[in-house]
Amino acid sequence: KQEVTQIPAALSVPEGENLVLNCSFTDSAIYNLQWFRQDPGKGLTSLLLIQSSQREQTSGRLNASLDKSSGRSTLYIAASQPGDSATYLCAVRDSNSGYALNFGKGTSLLVTP
Amino acid sequence: GAVVSQHPSRVICKSGTSVKIECRSLDFQATTMFWYRQFPKKSLMLMATSNEGSKATYEQGVEKDKFLINHASLTLSTLTVTSAHPEDSSFYICSATILAGGKTDTQYFGPGTRLTVL
Repeated sequence: KQEVTQIPAALSVPEGENLVLNCSFTDSAIYNLQWFRQDPGKGLTSLLLIQSSQREQTSGRLNASLDKSSGRSTLYIAASQPGDSATYLCAVRDSNSGYALNFGKGTSLLVTP
Repeated sequence: GAVVSQHPSRVICKSGTSVKIECRSLDFQATTMFWYRQFPKKSLMLMATSNEGSKATYEQGVEKDKFLINHASLTLSTLTVTSAHPEDSSFYICSATILAGGKTDTQYFGPGTRLTVL
């Protein structure tokens, strides 16, 4: 069974810093990996989706990388802002389990002014 | 972009009552919808996969008689928590998929429903 782990569980940084969130998964047979943002008490906002054949995706200040063979992904946030404060979830779609996503527990990010 | 709504956003009910949560895809047709639940500081856990016009597929450990799922149309799926108890209190989130074939399919998530059972 696929297990998705996110490190660290929580992170606090001052505004302007660059930061990296980590995600690892146990089964490398994946279709894609997706990073989401979740604000307190809210639903999910998709940030980046990386297909299994891709190495990275970029959107604005966000860059996500994927190393499928080692079961790792990172989300890089450049020049962090207080508005980036949220929980970031990593989710993997396996090759052999339909469309369902396997989520990590998330990294709670706080960016202080 | 594709929008998924959920109703209600928040519900408080007494123990023993049933609660229905709706998930709608507003501007696209979704043949498949998913229901997740999330406990505080925990990850989202898939409960069931709902396909339009057929019975839902439940994950191991999820009671299908307690969590009734109906997917009667391409834009609406409902989750009914029957005889709710305090341990059913959770954040329920649905997602919907636009089936374009294969790896590019994307799930769009609703805003979630906070259920509190007293």
